[in-house]
Amino acid sequence: EAGVVQSPRYKIIEKKQPVAFWCNPISGHNTLYWYLQNLGQGPELLIRYENEEAVDDSQLPKDRFSAERLKGVDSTLKIQPAELGDSAVYLCASSLGGRGRSSDTQYFGPGTRLTVL
Amino acid sequence: QKEVEQNSGPLSVPEGAIASLNCTYSDRGSQSFFWYRQYSGKSPELIMFIYSNGDKEDGRFTAQLNKASQYVSLLIRDSQPSDSATYLCAGTYQKVTFGTGTKLQVIP
Repeated sequence: EAGVVQSPRYKIIEKKQPVAFWCNPISGHNTLYWYLQNLGQGPELLIRYENEEAVDDSQLPKDRFSAERLKGVDSTLKIQPAELGDSAVYLCASSLGGRGRSSDTQYFGPGTRLTVL
Repeated sequence: QKEVEQNSGPLSVPEGAIASLNCTYSDRGSQSFFWYRQYSGKSPELIMFIYSNGDKEDGRFTAQLNKASQYVSLLIRDSQPSDSATYLCAGTYQKVTFGTGTKLQVIP
């Protein structure tokens, strides 16, 4: 079974440019997460989707960040315009969702390492 | 106060020893806890989860949960150099919150 797929793996852009990241979750996983991870820190949640609904986007900087999961499967995270401080690893994760305890178990993709110059 | 706290380390243990990684959480409503391992430059991978008080064992790994003390730990028996990584603790109530991770170094 394929894991969480993310692309691109690496991205280098100049500040003020736009950038987009794509994620395809594990088949059958209803919940999708986007995280930001800085060096030496744990993942920080940006947005969580239950199917196509964004149920937690309180930490998403909405002035420059946007996300969508139109058909409840794959998702795109966009930054426009990018700033120097956005350099980080952007992780996508998915979980089954629902009420079972194991349904919270998240499986991570390989991440996209973004460098803003 | 962070919701999930870990000592950043590094924690150094000799090969073959038991490594003990600790995590405390502030939200008494937290129900499930996860331990992830993250190698440098890689994404987190699940080791195990625990939601009941007591111990849960999986191979060389044992997770311990004490809800009264709001404390979660991970024991790694017979530590190997390949266990050298950052270990992330995560708790979930209404959302999953990660700690900053503890860096483990297993010295051959």
